[in-house]
Amino acid sequence: EAGVTQFPSHSVIEKGQTVTLRCDPISGHDNLYWYRRVMGKEIKFLLHFVKESKQDESGMPNNRFLAERTGGTYSTLKVQPAELEDSGVYFCASSPLFLTQETQYFGPGTRLLVL
Amino acid sequence: TQLLEQSPQFLSIQEGENLTVYCNSSSVFSSLQWYRQEPGEGPVLLVTVVTGGEVKKLKRLTFQFGDARKDSSLHITAAQPGDTGLYLCAGSNDYKLSFGAGTTVTVRA
Repeated sequence: EAGVTQFPSHSVIEKGQTVTLRCDPISGHDNLYWYRRVMGKEIKFLLHFVKESKQDESGMPNNRFLAERTGGTYSTLKVQPAELEDSGVYFCASSPLFLTQETQYFGPGTRLLVL
Repeated sequence: TQLLEQSPQFLSIQEGENLTVYCNSSSVFSSLQWYRQEPGEGPVLLVTVVTGGEVKKLKRLTFQFGDARKDSSLHITAAQPGDTGLYLCAGSNDYKLSFGAGTTVTVRA
């Protein structure tokens, strides 16, 4: 079974540009999460989808970030316009809708560098 | 505000030695996970502990959840170079994970 995949693995952009990150969860997983680790800090929660609905977006830093999950399958996270402080590693995770334990499966991450 | 504090931040030991990583919080979590992360990869789940006082063993790794469900420890017996990596604890409430900053473990051959 394929794990969580993320694209691209790396992205280098200039301040002010737009970047779109993609996450494909494990097939059949209705829960999808975005997390971010900025340099020197811990991994922090950004938002949580249940199918195509945003369940919790309390961790989104500001309105430059837009996450979508049309159709309840893959998700995109767009940053527009990107700022220097957006640099970091963006992780996506997924889990089944009903859990016996709260286990989330993480993708390899997208390393974003804003110059 | 960091909810979970891990200690130590870095740990370097010789192969065959034992090590313990601690994860402490002032918050109560419904469950706590330990992950290991390799360079260039995402966190990989090692274990989930749910019940206060719970102890789980995974080969040479022993995980303990505090009675009050606020803290946890990871103990590795007879560490091997393959145990080298970043160990992360994460507390869970309502599906949202709160991570510690991680402990970088280096096991020298």
